[in-house]
Amino acid sequence: DSGVTQTPKHLITATGQRVTLRCSPRSGDLSVYWYQQSLDQGLQFLIQYYNGEERAKGNILERFSAQQFPDLHSELNLSSLELGDSALYFCASSVAGETSSYNEQFFGPGTRLTVL
Amino acid sequence: GDSVTQMEGPVTLSEEAFLTINCTYTATGYPSLFWYVQYPGEGLQLLLKATKADDKGSNKGFEATYRKETTSFHLEKGSVQVSDSAVYFCALRGGGSYIPTFGRGTSLIVHP
Repeated sequence: DSGVTQTPKHLITATGQRVTLRCSPRSGDLSVYWYQQSLDQGLQFLIQYYNGEERAKGNILERFSAQQFPDLHSELNLSSLELGDSALYFCASSVAGETSSYNEQFFGPGTRLTVL
Repeated sequence: GDSVTQMEGPVTLSEEAFLTINCTYTATGYPSLFWYVQYPGEGLQLLLKATKADDKGSNKGFEATYRKETTSFHLEKGSVQVSDSAVYFCALRGGGSYIPTFGRGTSLIVHP
């Protein structure tokens, strides 16, 4: 158990809908990262937050957004869903921000999103 | 930008065989290098890491050495077990940017 929790575990929805994925980082970790894992694209970094502020942005679509709240939990919002958004979405946390490149990330168990 | 290239899988071995999974990277600066492992139905977990050239990371019998001259970080284990069956990801951070960069993953299947 990494100490990172994600809800829900599974989500099935229809095209055009909007969903919210939730992540609680390990106690004491200030950074939260979101990743998308699909068979054809592998593991893609989406976005990072550090202590409530956006720190780095990767391959995140404009239809997707995220935020980190004062209690440090984070939510990833996916809207106008398409079939191609079906994937595993992982959250990870780490102690420090982007300047500590040697810090490991602790991954949650993931949310499997299926868009029908 | 930064990139990581891993050998394609699946890699299929018999128990007690020697394992090598190749990983090469492209990055500016001096990144830290990582190997993560993902067991079925779980998230990734750190296996080992190295933060500078010639460092050797090791854990649970796995080893990898940071080779700056060949920009490689190959994962090795002398004798694999069935329980090592998983997907292995090579990753870097702190090269041209601090965005974490992962390889595509290599599936390892170990038969009894």
